[in-house]
Amino acid sequence: AAGVIQSPRHLIKEKRETATLKCYPIPRHDTVYWYQQGPGQDPQFLISFYEKMQSDKGSIPDRFSAQQFSDYHSELNMSSLELGDSALYFCACSIGENYGYTFGSGTRLTVV
Amino acid sequence: AQKITQTQPGMFVQEKEAVTLDCTYDTSDPSYGLFWYKQPSSGEMIFLIYQGSYDQQNATEGRYSLNFQKARKSANLVISASQLGDSAMYFCAMREGYGGATNKLIFGTGTLLAVQP
Repeated sequence: AAGVIQSPRHLIKEKRETATLKCYPIPRHDTVYWYQQGPGQDPQFLISFYEKMQSDKGSIPDRFSAQQFSDYHSELNMSSLELGDSALYFCACSIGENYGYTFGSGTRLTVV
Repeated sequence: AQKITQTQPGMFVQEKEAVTLDCTYDTSDPSYGLFWYKQPSSGEMIFLIYQGSYDQQNATEGRYSLNFQKARKSANLVISASQLGDSAMYFCAMREGYGGATNKLIFGTGTLLAVQP
């Protein structure tokens, strides 16, 4: 069965650089959520999209932006990277009335 | 205010024994969903079990069962016959509202389970 695909799996960037993380949800799953999980922390909600429109916003820094495209894939753009942005970034998806959320394998971002 | 509370930062259990991981939640919404996820050291988030607020029976999935006590707002995960591969971080999470396209999951702080041979 198709899963949620995230790319890249690992990313190393220097401070003040930019990064783009990509998420390809399960086909027909129209809602995408982004989470940030710092070392030893629980996942923190960043932002979500439903039918290509932003549906909810959490603790996402102004340096970050995201969007969902016509094919439902989503990208998280991160600028002026800081050491504290080093984390595991998850994308999850769901179908509108479905109970379930399926997570991707995550992108591990290291800022040096 | 913390909506999901996991009071056990870490637990040990002997292989083949049962273990209960605690989770309490706080919501004023009559409709909500409770989830448990397993996160091994490799990092992926693996769905284990789901309980809806209107479900009359406790959810079960193989060796996993959810002890749902609605009046006490608790949703403890019970793992029977622990295996070495169960060693991982376990997160309890809640979705407020029924289904819905925009309802995010809120996570607890997790319990690190170590299964000893």
